[in-house]
Amino acid sequence: KNQVEQSPQSLIILEGKNCTLQCNYTVSPFSNLRWYKQDTGRGPVSLTIMTFSENTKSNGRYTATLDADTKQSSLHITASQLSDSASYICVVSPNTGNQFYFGTGTSLTVIP
Amino acid sequence: EAGVAQSPRYKIIEKRQSVAFWCNPISGHATLYWYQQILGQGPKLLIQFQNNGVVDDSQLPKDRFSAERLKGVDSTLKIQPAKLEDSAVYLCASTPGPYNEKLFFGSGTQLSVL
Repeated sequence: KNQVEQSPQSLIILEGKNCTLQCNYTVSPFSNLRWYKQDTGRGPVSLTIMTFSENTKSNGRYTATLDADTKQSSLHITASQLSDSASYICVVSPNTGNQFYFGTGTSLTVIP
Repeated sequence: EAGVAQSPRYKIIEKRQSVAFWCNPISGHATLYWYQQILGQGPKLLIQFQNNGVVDDSQLPKDRFSAERLKGVDSTLKIQPAKLEDSAVYLCASTPGPYNEKLFFGSGTQLSVL
């Protein structure tokens, strides 16, 4: 069964600190994995995309990693800011057409 | 570039009433999705359109939910009659084509059923 699991469910960190969010998946055959950021009251917005051959990809203070062998991805946020407070959703697509498997998200709260 | 437009932003209704949501995707995007997002959960696909045809509606509760995209552009999602468990955010998303592309989401409609 194609599933995407994220951890932790929620996280509270101090402004300026780093954090890492985890995503494990069983989706097969794998095509790509995206991390989305969802601000409260808004729709999700894509942060990064990882394909099978990519191990690391950065977008500003966001760095995503992918281990296709263990089917794990992480999103590392450096020097967190208050505006990073949001839900982060991991979305995995198989290479069988336009399908998307969503994780339940990690709710991140950055406090001053 | 204009994003995915949704309306209304908020809707409060009583159970057994009907409600409709509207979505206008990004111009030129052939694929349109409706998702239901319950608080604390990831989005759940309700229906996927490719132009004006339905690709996947396997998770749409067809006894009460309906959706259409008659001209292959904007779309309407309807619930009739609403139940308490329908309280959620309804997200519309679009992609340019049918191959694992980036989803562009609207801001959603937050529905509260009392």
